[in-house]
Amino acid sequence: GAVVSQHPSWVICKSGTSVKIECRSLDFQATTMFWYRQFPKQSLMLMATSNEGSKATYEQGVEKDKFLINHASLTLSTLTVTSAHPEDSSFYICSARGNSYNEQFFGPGTRLTVL
Amino acid sequence: AQSVTQLGSHVSVSEGALVLLRCNYSSSVPPYLFWYVQYPNQGLQLLLKYTSAATLVKGINGFEAEFKKSETSFHLTKPSAHMSDAAEYFCAVSEGSAGNMLTFGGGTRLMVKP
Repeated sequence: GAVVSQHPSWVICKSGTSVKIECRSLDFQATTMFWYRQFPKQSLMLMATSNEGSKATYEQGVEKDKFLINHASLTLSTLTVTSAHPEDSSFYICSARGNSYNEQFFGPGTRLTVL
Repeated sequence: AQSVTQLGSHVSVSEGALVLLRCNYSSSVPPYLFWYVQYPNQGLQLLLKYTSAATLVKGINGFEAEFKKSETSFHLTKPSAHMSDAAEYFCAVSEGSAGNMLTFGGGTRLMVKP
């Protein structure tokens, strides 16, 4: 149990376009989802925390208008990178937490490459 | 504020040798501590976690870690390294609840020599 999926696993897009990444909890209800960003050979940095049905809380330095997060249901959160630029190229990882679990479960990640 | 420091961004051991990955934390409240493993282009897999119960925590794949409050440490060990242990390892801390936001250390890449 406690499986989290992400789609797509990788995406290549042109500069200036928008990309949506989905994070799904497959077998539990995720009341809270977290979005992390990981640059090559670096650690994970928390971008934002989203609770189902409410606005996401962004970490300092993360542009909320650029990284749109929607957590409209208990099993799905989306991260949309708007007007993507090459510096947005990164590995994006989501995690989810449900009321029945006292830990986060991580998705497999999405590698975004912006040309 | 919480923080995590992993000493040694790269650790190399021979197959069969002891694995020791170091993690020190800073937390204003009793912490919850985690070790995760990440294989290339994959997400994170939980190895073990400390949640204020036993200070010696046993995890998957033969790994264990000991919480030492006086040293603010949570080092990860494995008695005998296997080639399949080669990966990136992250120590993380959360406060208030094991499910709260995580702060990660910089990571340690473990290399295992045949």
